Amino acid sequence: NAGVTQTPKFQVLKTGQSMTLQCAQDMNHNSMYWYRQDPGMGLRLIYYSASEGTTDKGEVPNGYNVSRLNKREFSLRLESAAPSQTSVYFCASSVIRGGGELFFGEGSRLTVL
Amino acid sequence: DQQVKQNSPSLSVQEGRISILNCDYTNSMFDYFLWYKKYPAEGPTFLISISSIKDKNEDGRFTVFLNKSAKHLSLHIVPSQPGDSAVYFCAASAWETSYDKVIFGPGTSLSVIP
Repeated sequence: NAGVTQTPKFQVLKTGQSMTLQCAQDMNHNSMYWYRQDPGMGLRLIYYSASEGTTDKGEVPNGYNVSRLNKREFSLRLESAAPSQTSVYFCASSVIRGGGELFFGEGSRLTVL
Repeated sequence: DQQVKQNSPSLSVQEGRISILNCDYTNSMFDYFLWYKKYPAEGPTFLISISSIKDKNEDGRFTVFLNKSAKHLSLHIVPSQPGDSAVYFCAASAWETSYDKVIFGPGTSLSVIP
């Protein structure tokens, strides 16, 4: 009964380093999302995958890439980390036309020095 | 330009009293409005939602009211309990061709004082 699982939970990077955040869901959901949460900003959509094999940009995609590896897994990659990418990242999933009801992972706290 | 606004960053309420959290939105195309609750070091969890064709939805101690003409919704928690202390995100959703586009407000931190 895991729901949405994200790894790692914490990561510290130096400017210019790269890393990948992993996300997997076991609810057979078609749609998956990556959000970032910053103080006073709420959650902002980085990328989404409406269904397996498709990905698209959200509100703040610059500096990120994604891969929808299969129906369960959706990864987020930072190719060259910048201090502005210090944030808490949340992966989420949903059914299609779920009215906005998203199921979130526990989050990944990333610090870029 | 924030499409979903929560103008109160924080709110303190005595245990047993009513908590009222407010939210305003700007886009008339939203078809669902939702509230999410978030505890520290956890992901947000869905709490309650309302369709744009309704004006009230109730689930136990939680009631959401929608005023479409004013583009305003509110979450009422009665009675408030210490376990309700969390950050509450208002969100609005619209179907965008292939996915549910969900826009979140900045959140209101609720403290329920025993």
